[in-house]
Amino acid sequence: DTEVTQTPKHLVMGMTNKKSLKCEQHMGHRAMYWYKQKAKKPPELMFVYSYEKLSINESVPSRFSPECPNSSLLNLHLHALQPEDSALYLCASSQGAGPEQYFGPGTRLTVT
Amino acid sequence: AQSVTQPDIHITVSEGASLELRCNYSYGATPYLFWYVQSPGQGLQLLLKYFSGDTLVQGIKGFEAEFKRSQSSFNLRKPSVHWSDAAEYFCAVAPGGFQKLVFGTGTRLLVSP
Repeated sequence: DTEVTQTPKHLVMGMTNKKSLKCEQHMGHRAMYWYKQKAKKPPELMFVYSYEKLSINESVPSRFSPECPNSSLLNLHLHALQPEDSALYLCASSQGAGPEQYFGPGTRLTVT
Repeated sequence: AQSVTQPDIHITVSEGASLELRCNYSYGATPYLFWYVQSPGQGLQLLLKYFSGDTLVQGIKGFEAEFKRSQSSFNLRKPSVHWSDAAEYFCAVAPGGFQKLVFGTGTRLLVSP
């Protein structure tokens, strides 16, 4: 089963809110990723967790805080976001250090 | 500079016609190569991948891609396009097999009746 699930599907939040995005995979993959995608643009890598440890942080602002509670789950905690943070947030996973990534359907985030 | 180029921003193809989407990369060695498809508001679906070996690779949904080392290209093809193929197509590379995927800017495929 090559499936990555993400919740919620849509999220609207104010600039003072705190919210979290969730991602789950049951493929036994040991690497998980967060991407941000603006309209009509390719995905941009934000974070990579490898074996539950943060291995890549692409200089993402601290208002985005990732968390990997276990090998199947990945969270993205959001706080004090700006309207320009509105985007589609995609989660992906891959087998170990392999480059073949499988993506979830994304969370459409709107910051008001 | 290392890069992935998809020279066509939009392509319109008639239903039933053949399709070729272009992708060129600029890296010192042959990277791992991928094609992904994204329907509006959806996640990315992996169509096919090339790591090594046979330079013509088959993917899902009737797609294939050919790796040409001499041209640093990895073009995606389909012999007969269906209306449901209308979507955004991204070429991506993983330099040296590392975890960072580098995406091209994408090609939007429109299918006309």
